[in-house]
Amino acid sequence: EVQLVESGGGLVQPGGSLRLACAASGFTFSSSPMSWVRQVPTKGLEWVSLISGRIGSTYYADSVKGRFTISRDKPKNTLYLQMDSLRAEDTAVYYCAKAVAVMVNFYNYYYMDVWGKGTTVTVSS
Amino acid sequence: DIQMTQSPSTLSASVGDRVTITCRASQSISYWLAWYQHKPGKAPKCLIYKASSLESGVPSRFSGSGSGTEFTLTISSLQPDDFATYYCQQYNTYSWTFGQGTKVEIK
Repeated sequence: EVQLVESGGGLVQPGGSLRLACAASGFTFSSSPMSWVRQVPTKGLEWVSLISGRIGSTYYADSVKGRFTISRDKPKNTLYLQMDSLRAEDTAVYYCAKAVAVMVNFYNYYYMDVWGKGTTVTVSS
Repeated sequence: DIQMTQSPSTLSASVGDRVTITCRASQSISYWLAWYQHKPGKAPKCLIYKASSLESGVPSRFSGSGSGTEFTLTISSLQPDDFATYYCQQYNTYSWTFGQGTKVEIK
C-alpha cells in the first residue's frame, strides 16, 4: 500500500525558515515524480512544486520560486520542501503527493495519484 | 497560467441523486484533466485522470467526460460517503492549476 506521511510543520515567524519532510513507502520512490500542494485555510488547493522521477528536474509555482526548494533523499525514501523567507500568505496545510508521468511525444504529463494527510504551517509573529 | 473555473461552488443534493459538476479551462488542455475528492482532515483522493479514466478502486458511480476546455464529473447515484469537496486540476502545462472547488452538501 502506498503511504505518504508529512512532518515538520509548525509555527514560524515571517522571514523564517522551515523544512517539511514526507516519508514514502509502498512504491519505488527513487523513480517516482513527487509534488507538494498546499491549501490555504478555507480556500482551495494550490500546487507548489514538483520534482521529476529519474532526472530530478524541479518546477515551482511563481508564488514560491526563489524561496522554496524541493529535494529528495532516495536511500531514506523521503521528500523535502525547504521553505525560506516565509510570509504570512504561506500559511497553509501542505500535502505531499506521488505523481504519475505519462509520456507523449517525448513530453511528460504529470498528475497526482496518491496524497498524504498534510502538515500545517503557520507563519505569524 | 491556465485558469480553471468550476460550477457550481456549492451543491445541495440528496442520497440517490445524480450530480454533475462542470469545470472550464481558460484555454485548451486536451484531455489532461484530473478530478479529486477532498474531505476535511483527510488526504485528497484522485478519482479521475485523463478526463475520463477511473482511478483504480474508485466506485463506478463516478465518471468524467470532456476535452479541450469543457469537462464534467458525474456521480450517478450520490452515496453518504460522497459528501465532500471536489476539485478539477489541469496538467497540460508545468504550472498545475486547480479549480476553486465544489462542495457537495446534504440537502
